[in-house]
Amino acid sequence: GQQLNQSPQSMFIQEGEDVSMNCTSSSIFNTWLWYKQDPGEGPVLLIALYKAGELTSNGRLTAQFGITRKDSFLNISASIPSDVGIYFCAGQSTQGAQKLVFGQGTRLTINP
Amino acid sequence: DAGITQSPRHKVTETGTPVTLRCHQTENHRYMYWYRQDPGHGLRLIHYSYGVKDTDKGEVSDGYSVSRSKTEDFLLTLESATSSQTSVYFCAISEFGGSTEAFFGQGTRLTVV
Repeated sequence: GQQLNQSPQSMFIQEGEDVSMNCTSSSIFNTWLWYKQDPGEGPVLLIALYKAGELTSNGRLTAQFGITRKDSFLNISASIPSDVGIYFCAGQSTQGAQKLVFGQGTRLTINP
Repeated sequence: DAGITQSPRHKVTETGTPVTLRCHQTENHRYMYWYRQDPGHGLRLIHYSYGVKDTDKGEVSDGYSVSRSKTEDFLLTLESATSSQTSVYFCAISEFGGSTEAFFGQGTRLTVV
């Protein structure tokens, strides 16, 4: 099946640092989505990207849809304790029009 | 928050017993999905529905069946639960399918002993 490779798998940072994570795919994607999951909760949508090259911000979060349509990144600036959680990328490829495929997740831990 | 309710939220069952998980939505979205979440695997698609009585398999569909008799309800059934099906199950809904945002329920933690 379609695979999304998300990295890094985990991050341990100090409060106030910037964070960067990315997803890559071997196939072309039409849509990239970034989700955050808090413990015991379902994933919550952070940012949606629909066009190659698109750069979108949501507060301290910025995400980009790669020009090749095979990758996306998410940046978090000036991290705060509530940013702790698991971040997932998800995408809809040209091969699976009705499905969203998810990356393995990046677990973010912040040291105060 | 999108109106998605999963039930039950927690369940412990014995190997070999049938189990049904329910997802109920109040958004009238066409697409509904069942995912399972396991450490190191992210979210993997089990089955999805693109309308009433219209369903298709995802990447990990073996051992699972689904039904959608009404727009608002999507049921996931484990005919004979196995320990490998111990997981957290999430339902998601989407208005236009994979090209738009999917919204998730709070999950059902299933333990098969």
